[in-house]
Amino acid sequence: DVKVTQSSRYLVKRTGEKVFLECVQDMDHENMFWYRQDPGLGLRLIYFSYDVKMKEKGDIPEGYSVSREKKERFSLILESASTNQTSMYLCASSLMAGGYYEQYFGPGTRLTVT
Amino acid sequence: AQRVTQPEKLLSVFKGAPVELKCNYSYSGSPELFWYVQYSRQRLQLLLRHISRESIKGFTADLNKGETSFHLKKPFAQEEDSAMYYCALNRGGNTGKLIFGQGTTLQVKP
Repeated sequence: DVKVTQSSRYLVKRTGEKVFLECVQDMDHENMFWYRQDPGLGLRLIYFSYDVKMKEKGDIPEGYSVSREKKERFSLILESASTNQTSMYLCASSLMAGGYYEQYFGPGTRLTVT
Repeated sequence: AQRVTQPEKLLSVFKGAPVELKCNYSYSGSPELFWYVQYSRQRLQLLLRHISRESIKGFTADLNKGETSFHLKKPFAQEEDSAMYYCALNRGGNTGKLIFGQGTTLQVKP
């Protein structure tokens, strides 16, 4: 079974703090993703990585950065947290198998910025 | 522009009633579509993909290119089907990046 883990289930931070969200996958997947999940907006892609040290901006990258130094680990960084970044953050990884990509999700981190 | 629209935020049905979760997409080319599901306190997971044309947990979804739709259907809803459902579209290329719809909460009442 593919396992995607995220460092925290719940996190409370203050405005202006630098926040690190960690994601680890154990299946040697090349592709990793960070999403935020908000009611009524669905999942929106923040950043995508297709290999170590390789990254692409997603649809809403403003205020975020990422780091992928090892294949299994993909970190999301909020440089200076703001209240509008309060959300559920989901990490996912994927590999092509059987002609299509299936994304495997972590349990999510609910971040509250006060 | 690539887009996925799920027009219903909430769909509430009684147990045993038919269910149809709507999904419309916008994509130039041959689309690859999926349904993902998130049960309460569980992680988001793949339910089914259009290319396999399979039935999972009694759910089916047919791609209708003329209507640009990929509605999820089940003839008889069960209480355990209560969950959040997301329709997703492959953005193309070899990255596996998806565009997700807004999600529909399915509530099956006893």
